[in-house]
Amino acid sequence: KQEVTQIPAALSVPEGENLVLNCSFTDSAIYNLQWFRQDPGKGLTSLLLIQSSQREQTSGRLNASLDKSSGRSTLYIAASQPGDSATYLCAAGSEKLVFGKGTKLTVNP
Amino acid sequence: ETGVTQSPTHLIKTRGQQVTLRCSSQSGHNTVSWYQQALGQGPQFIFQYYREEENGRGNFPPRFSGLQFPNYSSELNVNALELDDSALYLCASSLLGSGTSRANVLTFGAGSRLTVL
Repeated sequence: KQEVTQIPAALSVPEGENLVLNCSFTDSAIYNLQWFRQDPGKGLTSLLLIQSSQREQTSGRLNASLDKSSGRSTLYIAASQPGDSATYLCAAGSEKLVFGKGTKLTVNP
Repeated sequence: ETGVTQSPTHLIKTRGQQVTLRCSSQSGHNTVSWYQQALGQGPQFIFQYYREEENGRGNFPPRFSGLQFPNYSSELNVNALELDDSALYLCASSLLGSGTSRANVLTFGAGSRLTVL
């Protein structure tokens, strides 16, 4: 059974700082690893999807990496901004996603 | 291109009642998945519908049921509501079928917030 863990549960940083969010999963036979953003009380916005054959994906200030052998993925956010404040969720799978509990990020002006 | 829309956005029910939540999938998508997100938790997979049939189910009891209609919209029904059913219910649509990649990005709706008293 796939289990996904995210560390830390919460993170507070000053504006402009580069940061890394961590995600680990127990079953390395995953199809995809996705990162989502969730604003309070809202739905999920897909940020990046890494296919099992890929090692990383980039979109703007975001970079996500995938290491299946160690069961880990990281989301790197460069030059953080207050608008980046949200909960970031990682999820393993293809159609039936298994989510972590998320990391709540606060970027202070 | 319209996104995923869910209704209602908020509702309050009492224990034992029944509830129906609705989801319109994104244009061009043929698959709908439902997730339950309790406060402070990540979403949990309830079930998926493809071609109007259930195509996989998570660890949820039979009182959670669903439908998919020919226009690919969907309903989630929950009978005999319990206090622990209070959660944000998320619907996601995607395109599944021969020739499609497994790298399907799910498009989520904004959710329906259910409170059971």
